[in-house]
Amino acid sequence: NAGVTQTPKFRILKIGQSMTLQCTQDMNHNYMYWYRQDPGMGLKLIYYSVGAGITDKGEVPNGYNVSRSTTEDFPLRLELAAPSQTSVYFCASSSVDRGSGYTFGSGTRLTVV
Amino acid sequence: DAKTTQPNSMESNEEEPVHLPCNHSTISGTDYIHWYRQLPSQGPEYVIHGLTSNVNNRMASLAIAEDRKSSTLILHRATLRDAAVYYCILRSYGGSQGNLIFGKGTKLSVKP
Repeated sequence: NAGVTQTPKFRILKIGQSMTLQCTQDMNHNYMYWYRQDPGMGLKLIYYSVGAGITDKGEVPNGYNVSRSTTEDFPLRLELAAPSQTSVYFCASSSVDRGSGYTFGSGTRLTVV
Repeated sequence: DAKTTQPNSMESNEEEPVHLPCNHSTISGTDYIHWYRQLPSQGPEYVIHGLTSNVNNRMASLAIAEDRKSSTLILHRATLRDAAVYYCILRSYGGSQGNLIFGKGTKLSVKP
């Protein structure tokens, strides 16, 4: 099992550019999440999905969009990148059992200049 | 939202036990207690979770107070690889309340 795979690992964007962070999981998990982590801080939830076709906002959704067309994939879209979006982005997945743990990807380090 | 309180940092010596405390005085009856850790430059890693009873796995033990208002993550023999930020999180029931909300955690340093 690969678990949760994120691509790319690193990216530098110019202000105003757009990009998609990819996330895929092979555990057949219904729930998927996107978090961001600024230096020295905890993780903040951006968006989450409880299944294909269903997405909802988390704590810090502004400037981002998501889609969930399949169980496996949960891409995060940044439109009009801003320096405030410089962060490390983590994707995670979990089963519907709230007693189960999350599995996290290794992260995408994004710098907006 | 149910929240947790953890010390900002703790130190331990290698090969000694470590007890990481967490207070969650507003926990509800259906909240699970989850612990995650984050090694430097890595994504968070699930450690253990519990509801009411103490739990053990290959990584750690979780001791839950009888009134569930606090819990303790126990690393039986700390190694240098255990140096990380440890997060204690309550996972609530259903909908957005089932999402993990991270605080700042406890930064554990392990001295050789």
